[in-house]
Amino acid sequence: DAEITQSPRHKITETGRQVTLACHQTWNHNNMFWYRQDLGHGLRLIHYSYGVQDTNKGEVSDGYSVSRSNTEDLPLTLESAASSQTSVYFCASSEPGLAGGEQFFGPGTRLTVL
Amino acid sequence: SQKIEQNSEALNIQEGKTATLTCNYTNYSPAYLQWYRQDPGRGPVFLLLIRENEKEKRKERLKVTFDTTLKQSLFHITASQPADSATYLCALDIYGTGANNLFFGTGTRLTVIP
Repeated sequence: DAEITQSPRHKITETGRQVTLACHQTWNHNNMFWYRQDLGHGLRLIHYSYGVQDTNKGEVSDGYSVSRSNTEDLPLTLESAASSQTSVYFCASSEPGLAGGEQFFGPGTRLTVL
Repeated sequence: SQKIEQNSEALNIQEGKTATLTCNYTNYSPAYLQWYRQDPGRGPVFLLLIRENEKEKRKERLKVTFDTTLKQSLFHITASQPADSATYLCALDIYGTGANNLFFGTGTRLTVIP
């Protein structure tokens, strides 16, 4: 069965360190998204990609970057982790060209920045 | 500013009753609206989609309405069961394209009491 996975599931890091969160999907979807979820804010879009070599900034992109070298993976990098980036991060994918198409979410990564 | 509000943070309901959750939005003209379910420690899972030209959509015990004049969607779970206890998120696609960029509400945590 197709799926979307994230790793690690939990991560503790220190302020200033670079951190990369992995996202891998086997749906063969061109659209991929990264969100963060915080109490009182819901899911907020960080970055998204419509295909290989395409990346776009979302609502809360400062301090984050992504790269898309193949269809399956969209890693999220925190260039210099800050305590404000402590959150739960979700990756999602969807089928392009299908207006209203559902997004398929990964299980999430809980990141703590000390 | 643009805003998506879900009626309350938490809703408790007796088993067997109908649960009604509200999603209100301002300053958007969404092409369609989606509802997701999220269980603790897991990613959201798609439930239903309704388009701007549809008034109502049903799926088993779930019913969604969409009033673009009131800028409101109602999500109903009939004959509620304890297994329906979860957080429910509404999401809007304001572009109506195959890009599927979604803006999420903060969610309503539903507890169905046996």
